[in-house]
Amino acid sequence: QKEVEQNSGPLSVPEGAIASLNCTYSDRVSQSFFWYRQYSGKSPELIMSIYSNGDKEDGRFTAQLNKASQYVSLLIRDSQPSDSATYLCAVRLRGYQKVTFGTGTKLQVIP
Amino acid sequence: GAGVSQSPSNKVTEKGKDVELRCDPISGHTALYWYRQSLGQGLEFLIYFQGNSAPDKSGLPSDRFSAERTGGSVSTLTIQRTQQEDSAVYLCASMGQGLLGTEAFFGQGTRLTVV
Repeated sequence: QKEVEQNSGPLSVPEGAIASLNCTYSDRVSQSFFWYRQYSGKSPELIMSIYSNGDKEDGRFTAQLNKASQYVSLLIRDSQPSDSATYLCAVRLRGYQKVTFGTGTKLQVIP
Repeated sequence: GAGVSQSPSNKVTEKGKDVELRCDPISGHTALYWYRQSLGQGLEFLIYFQGNSAPDKSGLPSDRFSAERTGGSVSTLTIQRTQQEDSAVYLCASMGQGLLGTEAFFGQGTRLTVV
């Protein structure tokens, strides 16, 4: 089992819809969770981080964490074509700085 | 500069040659990572440095790959006897405090093409 798993997609949503991106992780002592966005040909950039169970909202983005079920998700409301990118889920273990990335989900927002 | 700097940005090399890729992390960041990303693929972990601790080399794909981090700052990833399957973008990241808390900051990458 991979440490961090994501559906590679592509996930296609119409403009204005909600995009839901999911990620599962295998290590129960994982403590910190991150969502990175990577545009084609560019480096990843951090868009959300979440550390405790529940929802964390930032503008059109909401990160959701469920440690009991070992999944973390990213919701993008009112999706825009500019949101089209690959979204990488990343996990860091408690007391350890190594960050493990999933393979990413490609999101396509159709105008 | 204020960000993670990688050089060269592009490198074309002949099969069998050795290459060195350089990463200058953000000053003060003690953690440094190397990842590899093949075309259309996700990030593949290669190696991780944390302060003066022994590096985590568990992601290096073969003994042709090695990395050093001198003085806790600059890192060099060396690939010996390059093969065509080594062609990829090699990304370096350092970890520290950002606007969203502790985060990994990525360099712009080195695109390696082995011909």
